[in-house]
Amino acid sequence: DQQVKQNSPSLSVQEGRISILNCDYTNSMFDYFLWYKKYPAEGPTFLISISSIKDKNEDGRFTVFLNKSAKHLSLHIVPSQPGDSAVYFCAASGRGGSTLGRLYFGRGTQLTVWP
Amino acid sequence: KAGVTQTPRYLIKTRGQQVTLSCSPISGHRSVSWYQQTPGQGLQFLFEYFSETQRNKGNFPGRFSGRQFSNSRSEMNVSTLELGDSALYLCASSKDTTETQYFGPGTRLLVL
Repeated sequence: DQQVKQNSPSLSVQEGRISILNCDYTNSMFDYFLWYKKYPAEGPTFLISISSIKDKNEDGRFTVFLNKSAKHLSLHIVPSQPGDSAVYFCAASGRGGSTLGRLYFGRGTQLTVWP
Repeated sequence: KAGVTQTPRYLIKTRGQQVTLSCSPISGHRSVSWYQQTPGQGLQFLFEYFSETQRNKGNFPGRFSGRQFSNSRSEMNVSTLELGDSALYLCASSKDTTETQYFGPGTRLLVL
């Protein structure tokens, strides 16, 4: 049962343009959402997070938007750079029950930024 | 501040053997979680420890076990290895159970 879904396995964007990565979730107990960047055979690197009490969080070129009613979040990267090319994972967690201390991951989106 | 470290980085075992993987969290972090990444299943949660207590466990067989020591370092053990246990095993640490998790580089396990 995939509680976090990233429906686009890949995204190709030209350098300097905006990259938008999308993520949907089903569990209403999730209240904390994160984006990680990952290279093959390495551990995920934390990028940015958002609490369910907010609808937007920015950190430099990265902005995450949360739409709780739609159970949807997105990561915007502006401007995109070739070094951003990697797999991006959306993750979610909660504060109780089976969600405590556990990240639920999407299957990832391979972002390719070309010059 | 040093990041999460995992040892060993690579491991080759044969079916039926057992293996122990080690994780040292970021200094000051008391929560350690373990994940398995495979091409077929993606990133799957194994278990989470906080102050030497297992607080949550994923849907893995009893062959997968773990523990945490008083210095927050953690180990996970897989007994009676199967071919399907070949995966990247990732450890993550956080200050507390509900805080952001930071990942180590992982241990690549190959079971022959």
